[in-house]
Amino acid sequence: SQQGEEDPQALSIQEGENATMNCSYKTSINNLQWYRQNSGRGLVHLILIRSNEREKHSGRLRVTLDTSKKSSSLLITASRAADTASYFCASSYRYGNKLVFGAGTILRVKS
Amino acid sequence: DVKVTQSSRYLVKRTGEKVFLECVQDMDHENMFWYRQDPGLGLRLIYFSYDVKMKEKGDIPEGYSVSREKKERFSLILESASTNQTSMYLCASSFSLAGGTDTQYFGPGTRLTVL
Repeated sequence: SQQGEEDPQALSIQEGENATMNCSYKTSINNLQWYRQNSGRGLVHLILIRSNEREKHSGRLRVTLDTSKKSSSLLITASRAADTASYFCASSYRYGNKLVFGAGTILRVKS
Repeated sequence: DVKVTQSSRYLVKRTGEKVFLECVQDMDHENMFWYRQDPGLGLRLIYFSYDVKMKEKGDIPEGYSVSREKKERFSLILESASTNQTSMYLCASSFSLAGGTDTQYFGPGTRLTVL
């Protein structure tokens, strides 16, 4: 399977704490993307990091990419109850138009 | 804002019925995708299309077909629905990038139940 892997599968934290999710992928990528899915809804794009970038920020989100380890991390700082959702990483490989999604991390932020 | 719409949020069909799921995007995207999402399995690609009348099989195309007659519309067809096709179906669209794929924009999903 080409599917990447994410860990942890589930994460439960208190409001105000930081949440870190990790993603691994298999072969050379063009970019890596992170998406959020609220329960029973479609996915919403959060951030895209290109293979020649190592870190990217967007508001309370920080994404890192380590191409030597074929891994990426998503950090959400100062989490809020509204951040409760599933988070997916998706790898865009160098050839083809597809994204390969990980199985996702379920984040629960308790208020 | 990009908008991707799907014809139904919830659908209940009987085994053996022919089922059509419609997806429309308004951003002139070249690529369109159909995924199914099942608990513990993440998103799995069924089919995608990179141009009008062009299609490619994804990871799990068996039991499905697709149609793209116009750039903005991508249909998923279950020729003879079976209970193992009960799932959440997600449509997405994106621009093409050289050597990779751009951000995908998703519809709200159709939860299909086959009885």
